[in-house]
Amino acid sequence: RKEVEQDPGPFNVPEGATVAFNCTYSNSASQSFFWYRQDCRKEPKLLMSVYSSGNEDGRFTAQLNRASQYISLLIRDSKLSDSATYLCVVKRSGSARQLTFGSGTQLTVLP
Amino acid sequence: DGGITQSPKYLFRKEGQNVTLSCEQNLNHDAMYWYRQDPGQGLRLIYYSQIVNDFQKGDIAEGYSVSREKKESFPLTVTSAQKNPTAFYLCASSMGTGVPYEQYFGPGTRLTVT
Repeated sequence: RKEVEQDPGPFNVPEGATVAFNCTYSNSASQSFFWYRQDCRKEPKLLMSVYSSGNEDGRFTAQLNRASQYISLLIRDSKLSDSATYLCVVKRSGSARQLTFGSGTQLTVLP
Repeated sequence: DGGITQSPKYLFRKEGQNVTLSCEQNLNHDAMYWYRQDPGQGLRLIYYSQIVNDFQKGDIAEGYSVSREKKESFPLTVTSAQKNPTAFYLCASSMGTGVPYEQYFGPGTRLTVT
């Protein structure tokens, strides 16, 4: 089983739609969680950290469910510029500062 | 402006040649990392360094080598022993101790070996 698993998509949604991505992780001792965004043929960029209480940044909401080992990202009022691949990232427990990256979920927002 | 630079953006080599990819950061980060990304796959860790003059193998270190002689620089050599070197190579950096754990990436180098 992969350490971090994501639905690869693709998700094709119309502008203005709400879309949710899910991610599961296998190591229950994992400590820190992130969502990164990667545009086509570019480097990943940090979108947001995921906190236990859930957190929101504008149109983006991240949730963590430690009991189910599950992370989610909700995007409201999708924009064309949200089209990208979204990477779920988990800090490996007890492994210095290493991060494990999911394979990503591809989102295309259609006009 | 603080950031991470990688050069070159595109690199073409013949099979059997060693090639060195450059990574420089001016974020004053202690830790640096090298990843490779293949189409449709997640990032895989090649090597990482938490401090100058120290580095550890990641998940796929075979066929690669690194050095960390300066805090700002972490070059990666792809040797002829690497069986499938064609990939997108990404360098990242982060703080060396404490939180946060986020890593910040350079623009990457696309290596094609024929």
